[in-house]
Amino acid sequence: AQTVTQSQPEMSVQEAETVTLSCTYDTSESDYYLFWYKQPPSRQMILVIRQEAYKQQNATENRFSVNFQKAAKSFSLKISDSQLGDAAMYFCAYNNNDMRFGAGTRLTVKP
Amino acid sequence: GAGVSQSPSNKVTEKGKDVELRCDPISGHTALYWYRQSLGQGLEFLIYFQGNSAPDKSGLPSDRFSAERTGGSVSTLTIQRTQQEDSAVYLCASNSRGWGYEQYFGPGTRLTVT
Repeated sequence: AQTVTQSQPEMSVQEAETVTLSCTYDTSESDYYLFWYKQPPSRQMILVIRQEAYKQQNATENRFSVNFQKAAKSFSLKISDSQLGDAAMYFCAYNNNDMRFGAGTRLTVKP
Repeated sequence: GAGVSQSPSNKVTEKGKDVELRCDPISGHTALYWYRQSLGQGLEFLIYFQGNSAPDKSGLPSDRFSAERTGGSVSTLTIQRTQQEDSAVYLCASNSRGWGYEQYFGPGTRLTVT
């Protein structure tokens, strides 16, 4: 079974600094999708970024970028110029005909 | 436009009672997903509908859980004979492109079994 591991239960970053959230996954598949979702206290899950496994180029969305290492089965999220509104739970997810989520990383942003 | 809505937002029930949780997906979204999020945990995938069909029900945790979708729109997740371990937030999501694409989530239903 595919599993997703987020080894950092909590992370903290100073406003305007950069932080990287880690994610590893286990799969025997070659085609799949990876996601980072953000969950603020409102509980609404919001997509941050998406990566297709067949694409070597790392996905980027404004201040958010990923470091996708397919051979290492690693998918980390980098948040640049952190803002107070980035504070939330961040979930890494693996998708191949179902969806597997990691346990999440709680990100705190200090002013 | 309207997003995914779920009702009720909170539900408290006694152990052994049945509960129904409702999800209204975004209009036109053919795919609908149910997840369970226990306290301090990630999301656990429960079931997926494409139209009114659920190709794989193996994610449902026990035979006390069932789900249906009618008219390719509203979905109901039913939990029979609730147990305390069923306490969680139940999240619904939908999209129009199926697996591999962004899912739009509702705010969830927080279920508490006393």
